[in-house]
Amino acid sequence: AQSVTQLGSHVSVSEGALVLLRCNYSSSVPPYLFWYVQYPNQGLQLLLKYTTGATLVKGINGFEAEFKKSETSFHLTKPSAHMSDAAEYFCAVSPMGRDDKIIFGKGTRLHILP
Amino acid sequence: KAGVTQTPRYLIKTRGQQVTLSCSPISGHRSVSWYQQTPGQGLQFLFEYFSETQRNKGNFPGRFSGRQFSNSRSEMNVSTLELGDSALYLCASSLGQGGGFNEQFFGPGTRLTVL
Repeated sequence: AQSVTQLGSHVSVSEGALVLLRCNYSSSVPPYLFWYVQYPNQGLQLLLKYTTGATLVKGINGFEAEFKKSETSFHLTKPSAHMSDAAEYFCAVSPMGRDDKIIFGKGTRLHILP
Repeated sequence: KAGVTQTPRYLIKTRGQQVTLSCSPISGHRSVSWYQQTPGQGLQFLFEYFSETQRNKGNFPGRFSGRQFSNSRSEMNVSTLELGDSALYLCASSLGQGGGFNEQFFGPGTRLTVL
């Protein structure tokens, strides 16, 4: 079975500071891993995903995430926060090689302080 | 290419009523998945349809049902509404079956309020 834990339902960072959103997963098989972003009154948008290969994944809007199998983590980072990054972020997992559903974490709301 | 569209965007119903939500996927996409989003439970998978067949189902009561038409458009129905059904219902479409390898594209959602 798959599950996702996002540490911190709310995270606040100053504009220009490093953004770090934490995600740990459990999976009985090798996983696909995802980060999605949701802006107010909108659906989810895929930021990046890990399937196979390089463990450092680059996404849109300057975000990246690193798959660390030994730590079962897939933390999301961005070197310098921008006001437009304020949104809710969801980490998700799906079993690799199987046509199975995606399991989402509870989400982390990112606040950007001026 | 137009994105995923959901109608209506907002809906207010009373307990005991039923409701039907509609989702039009991106042209060419054959898979449609439905999710319920609430502040307490987050995003929970309802079901997935691919080529008019339900391929996967989450842990929701039988009051929640869906279907997919030959043009890949999908509808979701909730009967005998309860207060706890108040949520944002999101639809996502993808080219192929399954939410893993095939990227899902989400619609803006339908906000359902049950009074």
